Amino acid sequence: ETGVTQTPRHLVMGMTNKKSLKCEQHLGHNAMYWYKQSAKKPLELMFVYSLEERVENNSVPSRFSPECPNSSHLFLHLHTLQPEDSALYLCASSHRTGREQYFGPGTRLTVT
Amino acid sequence: ELKVEQNPLFLSMQEGKNYTIYCNYSTTSDRLYWYRQDPGKSLESLFVLLSNGAVKQEGRLMASLDTKARLSTLHITAAVHDLSATYFCAADDSGGGADGLTFGKGTHLIIQP
Repeated sequence: ETGVTQTPRHLVMGMTNKKSLKCEQHLGHNAMYWYKQSAKKPLELMFVYSLEERVENNSVPSRFSPECPNSSHLFLHLHTLQPEDSALYLCASSHRTGREQYFGPGTRLTVT
Repeated sequence: ELKVEQNPLFLSMQEGKNYTIYCNYSTTSDRLYWYRQDPGKSLESLFVLLSNGAVKQEGRLMASLDTKARLSTLHITAAVHDLSATYFCAADDSGGGADGLTFGKGTHLIIQP
């Protein structure tokens, strides 16, 4: 595997389910990010991790819970989501924060 | 707070024509990025502009940066259908800091035969 990978690529979940999105980067980077991309809205930065420590949380609802166990892996734990949370969730990594980011293929999430 | 504005947000053009997408940002930034996104796909890095006056070209696309005007442009020369996509510019706060990049809303480009 090369670059940034994300699993699953598609996810349909009910409002009461709990699921997790996984991101893995094979680039030796020290910073990882979660973005949300909704239809007709700009990319929204959700979380930033640098050297496995969270450095930014842009007022994201608590039903989204990130986890970064090491510099190569990033998770987004989901619980009791709302239909408006349906979106493309993109993971990215960079050498360090504020530098060029490399994006994964995204997880298309549908909340029913 | 850094803000990034792109215009136009939507552009329909014919093959063979030239056009420019503009990206303005609100505060000092020492790096400007251009990304491409195809429908249903992720973002692909196109250009990284690191200094005032920087110009980079790849095929029919050319990007430039004017840090004094806080403006970057993406110029398309003799457009072809394969360039149809959404183009995003992004900037970071000067000095890097702890923030992620701030993206513009994107320019949805359609190139018609």
